[in-house]
Amino acid sequence: DAGITQSPRHKVTETGTPVTLRCHQTENHRYMYWYRQDPGHGLRLIHYSYGVKDTDKGEVSDGYSVSRSKTEDFLLTLESATSSQTSVYFCAISVGENEQFFGPGTRLTVL
Amino acid sequence: DAKTTQPTSMDCAEGRAANLPCNHSTISGNEYVYWYRQIHSQGPQYIIHGLKNNETNEMASLIITEDRKSSTLILPHATLRDTAVYYCIVRVRLASNAGNNRKLIWGLGTSLAVNP
Repeated sequence: DAGITQSPRHKVTETGTPVTLRCHQTENHRYMYWYRQDPGHGLRLIHYSYGVKDTDKGEVSDGYSVSRSKTEDFLLTLESATSSQTSVYFCAISVGENEQFFGPGTRLTVL
Repeated sequence: DAKTTQPTSMDCAEGRAANLPCNHSTISGNEYVYWYRQIHSQGPQYIIHGLKNNETNEMASLIITEDRKSSTLILPHATLRDTAVYYCIVRVRLASNAGNNRKLIWGLGTSLAVNP
């Protein structure tokens, strides 16, 4: 699993509340990613990071922000959660230029 | 970005080879084909990747047609633990300020059921 953990693993929250998901890696990989997975869609890239304080938007970034203040942590924040953000969120890291390794996922429900 | 087309579902008998097809007719010359799988609700797991040559590793073989418009993932001796959703993915390059970073274009995958 390339030393990737995600927290929390499950969360239920209410519309309009802020939510922060954490991805932590132990192997100092440069590239980190946040995806969401929904029925009827493949995994979709939200944001990615290519170094400390270096981040960029993916294909579904609206309503999300990220921060990476140190190599091992990549945070995904929903400033004001909406029901459309109910999803399973996966963090991933790149190992070299090849495969991505994924974390166990966070299941978020916004009521 | 190139997209992929896969069968929605397939069945395979335990111990037999599972051959999972993928169509990527719009792939461009510098785009790699990757295969991942996702077991139940776990995070996706990398299997194999290739550009234009056939590839083999301890998990599977990847056969890419000469025109690169399609490929087949082969699990030589499928087991019950190979039951999963298999994704055929094209890797494209991200924005230049991300260096050599790549992004993966995910489809819906093939749900493979390995039966006893």
